[in-house]
Amino acid sequence: KNEVEQSPQNLTAQEGEFITINCSYSVGISALHWLQQHPGGGIVSLFMLSSGKKKHGRLIATINIQEKHSSLHITASHPRDSAVYICAFPQGGSEKLVFGKGTKLTVNP
Amino acid sequence: DAGVIQSPRHEVTEMGQEVTLRCKPISGHDYLFWYRQTMMRGLELLIYFNNNVPIDDSGMPEDRFSAKMPNASFSTLKIQPSEPRDSAVYFCASSSSLEFYNEQFFGPGTRLTVL
Repeated sequence: KNEVEQSPQNLTAQEGEFITINCSYSVGISALHWLQQHPGGGIVSLFMLSSGKKKHGRLIATINIQEKHSSLHITASHPRDSAVYICAFPQGGSEKLVFGKGTKLTVNP
Repeated sequence: DAGVIQSPRHEVTEMGQEVTLRCKPISGHDYLFWYRQTMMRGLELLIYFNNNVPIDDSGMPEDRFSAKMPNASFSTLKIQPSEPRDSAVYFCASSSSLEFYNEQFFGPGTRLTVL
């Protein structure tokens, strides 16, 4: 069983729609990353959170440590949000990150 | 700060050749990570360093791969001899133990194609 599962794998939306990407994990963690990888390949860290909710512009990340679940929401989606979104967390208290397979988001104009 | 710098950005080589990928971490960061990304396996950690010392190299595929960090501002990942199955994007990332939860900052990656 994978330690981390993301859903959906692929998501297509129309511009303006509200987007939710989910990340479930099976082990206790101290913090969780959300990363964004654009078609050009670069990886950017969007959020790191250990509890509750964080907001940055149109992006909102939530985490429920007890339920071992995190979500990334995008409000008023835009074609430039098209990217692969990846969740990750440190493995066993080390610096080693365990990555989800990613969710490929396509936002059409 | 310029962020994590990787070179080259693209590398095309023939099977059997030696390949060297380079990384300059963000100044002041004490952790450096090498990752490989493929369509099949996604992102995988190859090796990471703390204060220039390799801490976990369990992700290094085989003896053909080696990584060094001779000083705090430079690291190399070498593949010798290269094989077509090594074709992937290789990312370097760095982080600081002094920052919140050691958030990692990724370089732009090196796209390696082995023919």
